[in-house]
This record gives sequence, C-alpha cells and structure tokens, in this order.
Amino acid sequence: EDKVVQSPLSLVVHEGDTVTLNCSYEVTNFRSLLWYKQEKKAPTFLFMLTSSGIEKKSGRLSSILDKKELFSILNITATQTGDSAVYLCAVVNAGGTSYGKLTFGQGTILTVHP
Amino acid sequence: EPEVTQTPSHQVTQMGQEVILRCVPISNHLYFYWYRQILGQKVEFLVSFYNNEISEKSEIFDDQFSVERPDGSNFTLKIRSTKLEDSAMYFCASSEGPRDRYYEQYFGPGTRLTVT
Repeated sequence: EDKVVQSPLSLVVHEGDTVTLNCSYEVTNFRSLLWYKQEKKAPTFLFMLTSSGIEKKSGRLSSILDKKELFSILNITATQTGDSAVYLCAVVNAGGTSYGKLTFGQGTILTVHP
Repeated sequence: EPEVTQTPSHQVTQMGQEVILRCVPISNHLYFYWYRQILGQKVEFLVSFYNNEISEKSEIFDDQFSVERPDGSNFTLKIRSTKLEDSAMYFCASSEGPRDRYYEQYFGPGTRLTVT
C-alpha cells in the first residue's frame, strides 16, 4: 500500500522565519510528488517534482526531491502570516492502469505569527 | 485564471437519501477525479474518470457511488443512499493530460456533505 508521511505535524513560527517541511514516501511505480497548500478549503497546487536533485522555486517557496532516499522537502523563506495553512504532500502511482491517483500525507499545519 | 468549480458548497441530507455533487472541471482538461476528506483526516482518492469511463476507483467507491459526465462540462458524483460516515468534504479535481501534464491536478473548492 502506498504511504506518505509528513513531518512535523504542526509548526508555529514568527514572521520572517524560514521553515522546512518534510515528506517521506513509499510507493510502487513512483511517478511524481506534488505539494499543495490548503487554506480554508481547496488544496492549491504548488509544485510537481519528478526528478531527483532539481529544485523547483516559486518566490519564497522551493522544493526538492530525493528519489534515492524517498523524500522531499518544502522550504519557505521569510515567512508571512499569509503562509499559514496546511501543506499537503501527495505522490502519484503510475503503475498499470493508474491515471494519476494521488496518495496524500496527513499534512503539516503551519502557523505564522506576526 | 481557469478554475474548477463545485456546487453546492454545503449539502445537508438525511441518512438514506440520494445526493448529487456537481463539478465543472477546467475546460481543456481530460482527466477528472473525486477525493474526499473526512474532518481531521487525510485527503482520500475515490475515483478517476477519463474518456467517459472510470479508469480507477478506490475501495471506498462501492456500489453506492457513481460518477457521470452528463454533458461537455459537468462531472457529477452521486451517492445513492447516504450513510452517516459519508459526511466529509468532497473535492473534484481535473488535470490536462496526456503524459506528464496529467499529474498536475487542480482542485475545486469542495462540497461539504453533512449526513444527519
């Protein structure tokens, strides 16, 4: 069974801090790993990572994948109160007839205080 | 920017009743999905749909559930006889396809289903 574990489960920081969120996975037929930000409702797509060692970056957010050690990290620098959310990691199993089913981790709750 | 939309935002129903949750995927997307999230738990895959048929479904997606694309824009999830444990947030997602692009799934705002 595919498995995704995120750590820490929750994190409280102050504005300006840098945070690192972790995601480890076990999945047969790994295809890619995705990060989402979930505020009130819908998960909002952040990154998709397919290859090891290639950093993806968007503003203050960046992410990298290690396919040998089976984990990914999401970094947020100079955090702002608007970064407060649940950050979800999900993996895609592309084996057989799978059409991109996502298996999610439990999420990391990030709270950024002013 | 194109987005996935869902209606209603909140649905309250009595146990045993049928509900239909509606989604309008992003217009040029070809792959459609339903996920659910029970309060405090992980987001769980229910079903994927491509080319007018189910391509994959989870153990949760039993005979009480069905999906349909009744026209060129809507994608629906029907629960025939709701149970208390069906109470959850239901998310629709879509992706572009083919090949690498179909792994980037974009989610709608969700429908909160409450079964009483």
